[in-house]
Amino acid sequence: GEDVEQSLFLSVREGDSSVINCTYTDSSSTYLYWYKQEPGAGLQLLTYIFSNMDMKQDQRLTVLLNKKDKHLSLRIADTQTGDSAIYFCAESGTSGTYKYIFGTGTRLKVLA
Amino acid sequence: SAVISQKPSRDICQRGTSLTIQCQVDSQVTMMFWYRQQPGQSLTLIATANQGSEATYESGFVIDKFPISRPNLTFSTLTVSNMSPEDSSIYLCSVVAKLSYEQYFGPGTRLTVT
Repeated sequence: GEDVEQSLFLSVREGDSSVINCTYTDSSSTYLYWYKQEPGAGLQLLTYIFSNMDMKQDQRLTVLLNKKDKHLSLRIADTQTGDSAIYFCAESGTSGTYKYIFGTGTRLKVLA
Repeated sequence: SAVISQKPSRDICQRGTSLTIQCQVDSQVTMMFWYRQQPGQSLTLIATANQGSEATYESGFVIDKFPISRPNLTFSTLTVSNMSPEDSSIYLCSVVAKLSYEQYFGPGTRLTVT
């Protein structure tokens, strides 16, 4: 079945770059997403990339997509303490539906 | 964007009881979903809430356990019935905005069953 995997933890120093990785199995996904979940809060859509793109940049965020390897990454430049959260990647699943399949989430801890 | 509110934000319930969670969105949406996030885990889709008709459930979820209503475009309820400690989770409502087609999530309802 469809599966999305992420590493569980990442720790970086304030000001450094963070790279959060994700692998997925469904090659028919139309969109791939990154969501941020802060403690006690819902999910906030950070950015998304269309499956025919290799890269998307949005201010401090850079998304890289390697469709051949089914690998997605999120780079956060100049990481701040406010970036500490859990980051989920998600794929749109078969037929580009809204039934997203979420990864396990990566807990990012930013050290001051 | 869409602003979603959920009630209650958290609750502690006894085994065998039921809890109804409400989801209200402030704008027109096309689709509404209910997800479950078990402790330390990712999100799992429970069902699609259909306006005026029965919800569409994902594998492993049934209407008797998770009855869902959606009487209009901007409001839905999820009931967790005959609860057991295994139902302790965060339950999240999500919507697809009518204009942007982006999916937004509510703040979640943190349920603890004792």
